[in-house]
Amino acid sequence: DVKVTQSSRYLVKRTGEKVFLECVQDMDHENMFWYRQDPGLGLRLIYFSYDVKMKEKGDIPEGYSVSREKKERFSLILESASTNQTSMYLCASSLTGTDYEQYFGPGTRLTVT
Amino acid sequence: QKEVEQNSGPLSVPEGAIASLNCTYSDRGSQSFFWYRQYSGKSPELIMFIYSNGDKEDGRFTAQLNKASQYVSLLIRDSQPSDSATYLCAVERRNDKIIFGKGTRLHILP
Repeated sequence: DVKVTQSSRYLVKRTGEKVFLECVQDMDHENMFWYRQDPGLGLRLIYFSYDVKMKEKGDIPEGYSVSREKKERFSLILESASTNQTSMYLCASSLTGTDYEQYFGPGTRLTVT
Repeated sequence: QKEVEQNSGPLSVPEGAIASLNCTYSDRGSQSFFWYRQYSGKSPELIMFIYSNGDKEDGRFTAQLNKASQYVSLLIRDSQPSDSATYLCAVERRNDKIIFGKGTRLHILP
């Protein structure tokens, strides 16, 4: 059974803080994704990684960076958190190829005050 | 034109009836199409995928694809209260990525 876990379910940070969101998958998937989900805007892709140390920008990468040092772990970094980054962050993983299902983690609800 | 469009709803359907959810997409080159279900406060989970024109059935769910019209739909037969959720249409993009529609909220009336 595929499992994608995220380090925190809820997180509250102050403006300007550096924030790390961690995601771990246990199914040896090549691809990992970070999305944010906001009411009325849907799921939007922030960054994508198709291999260790490889990354590709999604639709809204500004203000974010990522790290993938190991295949099972994909980190999202907010270098200097801002209030407009308050959102639900969802990590997903999949096998290579667009035929394959993306499996989602439980999400991290981040509030920046 | 937005890449993936869905009516946001809410779509209210009586219990036992057929719920019909629709999605249009802009990229004629897309080959793979997915329907995800998301319960309130939960993460999306895949319920159907379809690659070929026509219908694909899985239990009470039927996905329909018309590439010429750039249209994909999901039918839910014998709707149950447990089907109340937001349904996300997702369409393949290049390089292993997919793009999600904003979702349609479905409410099954008991």
